[in-house]
Amino acid sequence: GQSLEQPSEVTAVEGAIVQINCTYQTSGFYGLSWYQQHDGGAPTFLSYNALDGLEETGRFSSFLSRSDSYGYLLLQELQMKDSASYFCAVRDQGYSTLTFGKGTMLLVSP
Amino acid sequence: DADVTQTPRNRITKTGKRIMLECSQTKGHDRMYWYRQDPGLGLRLIYYSFDVKDINKGEISDGYSVSRQAQAKFSLSLESAIPNQTALYFCATSDMGQSSTDTQYFGPGTRLTVL
Repeated sequence: GQSLEQPSEVTAVEGAIVQINCTYQTSGFYGLSWYQQHDGGAPTFLSYNALDGLEETGRFSSFLSRSDSYGYLLLQELQMKDSASYFCAVRDQGYSTLTFGKGTMLLVSP
Repeated sequence: DADVTQTPRNRITKTGKRIMLECSQTKGHDRMYWYRQDPGLGLRLIYYSFDVKDINKGEISDGYSVSRQAQAKFSLSLESAIPNQTALYFCATSDMGQSSTDTQYFGPGTRLTVL
């Protein structure tokens, strides 16, 4: 089975940097993904890490340590529009489906 | 036009009624998924299909059934709805052949309320 842990809520101010952590336990691991969801809308893909290290996409970066079963999403130069829920998800190599964490609600204040 | 569409977007029904949620996609993807989202519980997989002849149960399939009518269409049915099936339902697609990340593309969701 799979389980993922991430904080339920994180708060920050505009312009700041915030890190959302995700730890996972899986019977098989292929990669860690991050998705963003605004207020009950459709989740959208942000990033994916299959190998250890940092992946950067604009203001967003994602990190993975396979040996620690740990990853994080780093959001820089926070904007009000970044207020959303962020989900980490692991892909199981055997089943090729995603298991999602319960999500972290990010609140960005002025 | 949206690549993944869901109908209806909102539905209120009564306990015991049969209801079908429909999903269509124009992305040409083989893989389709149905998820359920409850507050604080994230997205949980109900059923998934990797091609027209393939149907698989997910984490929480009890009380649900699906039909893959074509590559582009995947419907979710609740044979006899109960109040704890009140939730936000998402359909998603992916194509492993084009994306090594197996990125999933979600529809706008259907908000279902069972009274």
